[in-house]
Amino acid sequence: AQSVTQLGSHVSVSEGALVLLRCNYSSSVPPYLFWYVQYPNQGLQLLLKYTSAATLVKGINGFEAEFKKSETSFHLTKPSAHMSDAAEYFCAVSDERGSTLGRLYFGRGTQLTVWP
Amino acid sequence: GAVVSQHPSWVICKSGTSVKIECRSLDFQATTMFWYRQFPKQSLMLMATSNEGSKATYEQGVEKDKFLINHASLTLSTLTVTSAHPEDSSFYICSARDPYTEAFFGQGTRLTVV
Repeated sequence: AQSVTQLGSHVSVSEGALVLLRCNYSSSVPPYLFWYVQYPNQGLQLLLKYTSAATLVKGINGFEAEFKKSETSFHLTKPSAHMSDAAEYFCAVSDERGSTLGRLYFGRGTQLTVWP
Repeated sequence: GAVVSQHPSWVICKSGTSVKIECRSLDFQATTMFWYRQFPKQSLMLMATSNEGSKATYEQGVEKDKFLINHASLTLSTLTVTSAHPEDSSFYICSARDPYTEAFFGQGTRLTVV
């Protein structure tokens, strides 16, 4: 079975500071991993995804994440936070190679606040 | 990326009436569509998965007679909330995918039942 744990429901950083959002996963098969961003009253936008190629994945808006199998982690980082990064972030795992048509299993989400 | 359009973006309805939400894939053929429900400040809860031309597969605890899902074509799925009540008020999000790419999400529908 697949599951995702996001450590920290709220993260606050100053503008220009490093952003680190934590995600650990559990998967019975080699996982596909995703990070999504959600702005208020909107759907989810894909930031980046890991699909068994390079372990360091670069996404949009300067975000990147590193897949660490030994730690079952897929933490999201950005070197310098911008005010526009304030949003809800969701980590998700997919059983792409399984039988349930690639359904996504989401973490609880992390609300990122960026202070000026 | 691919575009998934969800309509309406918000709707207010009276208790006891039914509401239909549409989810369209605009530039690809969505062989599979997913419907989620999101409560305030919470994660997305998968309600059901549907394949084009087949009956939807509902998650445990989701009433299939309450939440009717139709995936009649490769570009359109609908979710109908029947006999809506205030506790059905929520944010509903669809996502769609083809066999070759990840799922893309609609912009969501805010349903308020009064």
